[in-house]
Formats: sequence, structure tokens, C-alpha cells
Amino acid sequence: EPEVTQTPSHQVTQMGQEVILRCVPISNHLYFYWYRQILGQKVEFLVSFYNNEISEKSEIFDDQFSVERPDGSNFTLKIRSTKLEDSAMYFCASTRVVAGVAFFGQGTRLTVV
Amino acid sequence: TQLLEQSPQFLSIQEGENLTVYCNSSSVFSSLQWYRQEPGEGPVLLVTVVTGGEVKKLKRLTFQFGDARKDSSLHITAAQTGDTGLYLCAASFRSGTSYGKLTFGQGTILTVHP
Repeated sequence: EPEVTQTPSHQVTQMGQEVILRCVPISNHLYFYWYRQILGQKVEFLVSFYNNEISEKSEIFDDQFSVERPDGSNFTLKIRSTKLEDSAMYFCASTRVVAGVAFFGQGTRLTVV
Repeated sequence: TQLLEQSPQFLSIQEGENLTVYCNSSSVFSSLQWYRQEPGEGPVLLVTVVTGGEVKKLKRLTFQFGDARKDSSLHITAAQTGDTGLYLCAASFRSGTSYGKLTFGQGTILTVHP
């Protein structure tokens, strides 16, 4: 069964460092998303991406964040200068059509120390 | 900003009991999805409902979508210890500028005791 895969599963980084979280969406999906979940809180939308550009972003997705689809398969989330409050689980999701069924990856646990 | 209220936040029951989890909003959903999430993992899709009044069954789980498309419920019959976990509802709302983002409820932590 096709699935969304994310790497790494766990990333520890020092405050101020740049991190790149990677995702491989399901191959015939066209819409890609990043969500995050701070420990004990609800899952929050960060950004959606379609046709090689950002289609929607939340207030959380400030200038420190960027997304890219560098090739036909990977979808990355970069945080330029991490802060302690960026510590969270980050989930990638993809859908075949807009507002279609979303399939999520296993997540990357980011710990900023 | 659309909000999704999920209740209860915690549910602790004995094996064999029935339970219902609710998901409500003041705005109309385009669709609503129910997920189950295990600790340290991503949400796994259980079902998606799109039509007002729709009822879907998945073994002992029954999902209902309100007629007005502003509420949904998940009912588990004769709960088993294997049902223990975090249940999430997530909705996409009708919006001309929405590109399918999901708004999540707070989640319901279900514990089924043997």
C-alpha cells in the first residue's frame, strides 16, 4: 500500500541551527502539506503546496520556514534558525486531489536544545 | 478561523462498553476525516465522510456526519482493549481560498480497561 515516508524520524538540533525535514509523498498525489504537533497540543496546519508553489500557509509559517520540492519525489520543510518553541512532531501529508483524503507520514520528532 | 471542538478529551471505560466521541463546528465542513494516532506516529485514516447524514461502518466503529455538515460522531460498540488510543477528527471547510488544509480537533484519548 502506498505511503508517505518521512526522514529522519528524530532530529536533535541546537537553537539557531538550520534543519531540513524530508518527505516523500505518495507518488500520484499532487497536493502536499506540512503540519506540526507540539507535545500535548492539537495538530496544526503549517503550509500547503501545489504546482511547485505555496498555496496556503498559516500564521505559524513565518519567514524562518520554507518548503521546496527539489525533484519529482521529495518535499522538504526547512527551518532556517530553530528556536526552542519549534520542538514538535512534524507531519507531512499528501492528497491526490484538493481537499481529498489526506495520508500522513510517521512524523519527524524535532527537538531543539 | 474555523474551530473544531472534539469531546470528550479523555474517556476511560471497561471492555465491552459502548462509547461515542463528538466533533462539532459552527462552520460547514466540506469533508470530515477521523484518524487514529498511536504515540510517536502519524495519524492513520479511519474514514472520511462527505455527505450530510452519511453513516459509515467499519467493523465495530460507526461514523455519522450531521445533516447540516457541522458535526460528526464516532461510536464504538463493545470496546476492546485494542481500541485504546488517540482519536482525532479533522475537517476541511468550505472556502474559496482553501487548498484542502485540515483543521484538527483536540483529540480524544480513549483507554479501554480489561
